Amino acid sequence: DAGVTQSPTHLIKTRGQQVTLRCSPISGHKSVSWYQQVLGQGPQFIFQYYEKEERGRGNFPDRFSARQFPNYSSELNVNALLLGDSALYLCASSFQGREDEQYFGPGTRLTVT
Amino acid sequence: GEDVEQSLFLSVREGDSSVINCTYTDSSSTYLYWYKQEPGAGLQLLTYIFSNMDMKQDQRLTVLLNKKDKHLSLRIADTQTGDSAIYFCAELGSSASKIIFGSGTRLSIRP
Repeated sequence: DAGVTQSPTHLIKTRGQQVTLRCSPISGHKSVSWYQQVLGQGPQFIFQYYEKEERGRGNFPDRFSARQFPNYSSELNVNALLLGDSALYLCASSFQGREDEQYFGPGTRLTVT
Repeated sequence: GEDVEQSLFLSVREGDSSVINCTYTDSSSTYLYWYKQEPGAGLQLLTYIFSNMDMKQDQRLTVLLNKKDKHLSLRIADTQTGDSAIYFCAELGSSASKIIFGSGTRLSIRP
């Protein structure tokens, strides 16, 4: 079975632009979480979605939003990009009620110039 | 609050044991993890320990948990060049929907 997949792999955007990152969970997983990893730091929790509803939110501004689709894939949107949004964005999926066992994708590296 | 701290760097000689230490603040954490990240790659779950355990061994990896001191360690026996990476200590947050990571320990291997 395929693991968690994310697209695109790399992305370069300009300050003020908007970006959409995509994630497909492992087959059978209904919960998707997003994390931001700034260079030199550990990943930080942004959102968790389960059954198309937001179940958890980290300390991120409203410029960050996400949604989950009926097939359990997810998109992370970031508006009005800032230089500080440059990071590796990681998606993780898990079975229902098993957030203790999250499987991470390879990430999307976003560079904001 | 929820916080995980670990030292930034560790250098060991090839063949020696590596011990990476971590402290956490949330005493209600149920799961504690060690992740490995190689350059340009995503996160690989190495091992985890449930909070009611003191020790877990998996081949070359040994995890020790001291709940009283909120201290977690990862021992890698017979460290090899392929073990060079950043190792993240993490805990399952009290809301049980998020994993809280430390800043990572960069392990370098010298010949």
